[in-house]
Amino acid sequence: DVVMTQSPLSLPVTLGQPASISCRSSQSLVHSDGNTYLSWFQQRPGQSPRRLIYKVSNRDSGVPDRFSGSGSGTDFTLKISRVEAEDVGVYYCMQNTHWPWTFGQGTKVEIK
Amino acid sequence: EVQLVESGGGLVQPGGSLRLSCAASGFTFSGSWMSWVRQAPGKGLEWVATINQDGSEKFYVDSVKGRFTVSRDNAKNSLYLQMNSLRAEDTAVYSCARGAGVSWGPGTLVTVSS
Repeated sequence: DVVMTQSPLSLPVTLGQPASISCRSSQSLVHSDGNTYLSWFQQRPGQSPRRLIYKVSNRDSGVPDRFSGSGSGTDFTLKISRVEAEDVGVYYCMQNTHWPWTFGQGTKVEIK
Repeated sequence: EVQLVESGGGLVQPGGSLRLSCAASGFTFSGSWMSWVRQAPGKGLEWVATINQDGSEKFYVDSVKGRFTVSRDNAKNSLYLQMNSLRAEDTAVYSCARGAGVSWGPGTLVTVSS
C-alpha cells in the first residue's frame, strides 16, 4: 500500500500569516493515464471533510484562492497564503492513484 | 444541491452484521463512482471501499476484504455497505462520498461492542 506521510502533524499559525503542509508518498503518484491523483481535504471541528484541491493543484469550486496545491511525483504541498480563523481544522492529503486509496495522518491547524 | 445521507448505523456485537445505506441526490448518481470512508473516534480518515458506476468494479481496503460488500441501486440512487463479522476495530463513523471525495455525507456511527 502507498503510505502517505504528512508534516507537521500540528501547525500553530498566526492569523494573516502563511502556512504550509507537506505530504510525501512512498511511491510515485503518477497514474498510467498521466495524471497525478493527489487531493487535499479540510475537516473543520465537528464537520465532514471537504475537498479543497484535486489532481495536485486544482481548486474545487468555492474554495478560496488563498489555498493552493503543488508538487509532483512523491512530494506535495498545501499552502495557505494568509490564514483566517475559519481555516482551523485538520487537513488530510489522499492519493487515489493506486488501490487501496490512502490518506495521510492529518495535520491539525490551530491559531496561536 | 448535492446531498448524501447515510443511515443504518448503530450498536452491534462483535461478529455481528450491519447494512449501511446512503441516499444520494442533486447529481447524476448512475454516472458517479461512489466510496465509503470511515473515521474511528478521534482518529484520521480511512478509505474503505469504492464501486464504479454500474457496480461491475469494486475495491476494498485489505482490512475489510471478505467481510464487507459495497453495492448500489442506481434506480433508487442508493449506495450500500454490507458489513459482516464486525470487529471492535470497525467502530467508526462511516461516510459515503461521491467519487474520490468530491462530496461527503455527514456519516453514521457504527459501534462494535459487547
